[in-house]
Amino acid sequence: EIVLTQSPATLSLSPGDRATLSCRASQSVSSFLAWYQQKPGQAPRLLIYDASNRATGIPARFSGSGSGTDFTLTISSLEPEDFAVYYCQQRSNWPPYTFGQGTKLEIK
Amino acid sequence: QGQLVESGGGLVKPGGSLRLSCAASGFTFSDYYMAWIRQAPGKGLEWVSYISPSDTTIYYVDSVKGRFTISRDNAKNSLYLQMNSLRAEDTAIYYCARDRFYVGNDYWGQGTLVTVSS
Repeated sequence: EIVLTQSPATLSLSPGDRATLSCRASQSVSSFLAWYQQKPGQAPRLLIYDASNRATGIPARFSGSGSGTDFTLTISSLEPEDFAVYYCQQRSNWPPYTFGQGTKLEIK
Repeated sequence: QGQLVESGGGLVKPGGSLRLSCAASGFTFSDYYMAWIRQAPGKGLEWVSYISPSDTTIYYVDSVKGRFTISRDNAKNSLYLQMNSLRAEDTAIYYCARDRFYVGNDYWGQGTLVTVSS
């Protein structure tokens, strides 16, 4: 089973700041990595797939990069609605399609 | 835009059973893999099971193998999860989600809470 480790666990920033979230895989997942956003009381929402492709309706301030074992989600300029928990998920060859433990992005 | 609506959650005693349902609309259900993903209270996401469009491929995470059974009825646009021999550690919100190969889970339901407690 592929293990995903996200860092930091918590990120405290202000609106307008740039956010950089990291996800590291225990073995290569090629580019098959997705990112999700989850707000309190809501289901997760797909943000990024294939490491760098934005899902339908996702604003351009969200971008993803990386391949192999190291991936980054960047939010270029934080909006108030971006404060949430973010998860990465590997989608390589075969299940289980494991998730990282999450990064909480909170208002400083 | 696709919509998924789960039902069937509730309070059950350890060792008991529960059957979750998920009703799909707004997309061709029979074309897609479907998945169950759960989230224990205050914890992260755990991918539990998925099923191919024609039932030929089914997968379970190790922690539920032999206890949970995923199924679907394409005529009714519905996904199911039969959960037997429930344990306290199965307590979670259970989400139904559309599963797209190499892409991820792009449609999610609102979730249904399963609580296993005596």
